[in-house]
Parts: sequence; structure tokens; C-alpha cells
Amino acid sequence: GENVEQHPSTLSVQEGDSAVIKCTYSDSASNYFPWYKQELGKGPQLIIDIRSNVGEKKDQRIAVTLNKTAKHFSLHITETQPEDSAVYFCAAGDSNYQLIWGAGTKLIIKP
Amino acid sequence: DTGVSQDPRHKITKRGQNVTFRCDPISEHNRLYWYRQTLGQGPEFLTYFQNEAQLEKSRLLSDRFSAERPKGSFSTLEIQRTEQGDSAMYLCASSHGTNTEAFFGQGTRLTVV
Repeated sequence: GENVEQHPSTLSVQEGDSAVIKCTYSDSASNYFPWYKQELGKGPQLIIDIRSNVGEKKDQRIAVTLNKTAKHFSLHITETQPEDSAVYFCAAGDSNYQLIWGAGTKLIIKP
Repeated sequence: DTGVSQDPRHKITKRGQNVTFRCDPISEHNRLYWYRQTLGQGPEFLTYFQNEAQLEKSRLLSDRFSAERPKGSFSTLEIQRTEQGDSAMYLCASSHGTNTEAFFGQGTRLTVV
């Protein structure tokens, strides 16, 4: 079946450094790629998304890039802060309800 | 708080018992989704409603699971004859139409002992 692979499963970076999380997807029909942040005991929260007609999107310290040919998309967080520590999920799909999610990346920001 | 609300937050039940969870979506959101999330994994889609109509059900939703949204507002998810494999976080989300951000509740953590 369709799947989304996410790497790494755990990422530890020094505060102020950048963090990059990568995902690959298998369904070539996917055209919507959101990224969610989930803090302990809370539901996932959308932080940024990108659609297949755009290659890159940026929102302050967060950016997402998409390579549809290679079926890769990545999340970039610059100038990391302690509050960025959380589990991040990528997902791919053609509508909200048909999202296939990655297994998550636990991001640890070291002070 | 006008976000998605789920009740209860935690539920411990004995194997074989029935459980029911409730989700109150954001007001005027016509789409409501149920997901299941196990430890260390991303959420898995279970089902979704547009208003009161249940439009899609995952094959993960066995015949022991039933969801309703009778008046197009709140929704309930019932699991009958619970099994240990049902232990998970059950997440509800809502959105206004398609291709718009889905807002998640804090989930109901079910433990079947």
C-alpha cells in the first residue's frame, strides 16, 4: 500500500542551529504535503503545508521544500529554540482525510 | 476555548467492555475526522463525516467500531468488545470544507487491560 517514510526518527541539535527532517512518499497522485508538530499530551498542530504546484514555502523560521520528481519533501527549521522540541510528522495525500502520515521525528533542542 | 474538544481524556477499560468517546468540533466546521495513533507512530485515518453523513471508512474500522454524527455537530466513536490491540490514542479533528487546515483535539487515550 501507499506509505510515507520519515527520517530521522530522533534528531538532537544545539539551540540556534538548524534542523532538517526528510520524508519520501510512494503515491504519485499525492498533491498535498502538511507538516504537524505534536507536543506531549496534545493533538497534532499544523505548522506548514505545501501543495504540488509549489517547490518551496517559507514561514519565518520554518520552510518546506518539495521535489515531486523524486517524491521527496523536507522540513527546515532555522535558529532552533527550546520550544521547538516536539515530535514532528510529515504527511502526504490528496485531501485532508486521505493523508498518509510518517512515523514522526522526535526533535530535541539542546540548550 | 473554542478548539476541538474530546471527552474523556483517558479511559481504562477491561477487555470485552464497550467504550464510547465524544468529540465536539469547532463550531461551523462541517468536516469531522477520527484517527487512531499508537505509540511511536503517526495518526491513522479511521473515518470522516461531512455534516451528518459518514463519507469514508478505513478498513482499519472493523465491525466492532461505529461512529455517528447525528446532527452534524458532535460525534461519538464506540468500540464494542474491546481488545488489547485497541489500546491507542483516538484523535478527532475538524475542518471547514476540503483542502483546509484540520484542527485536532487533544485525544482520548484508551487502555484496554
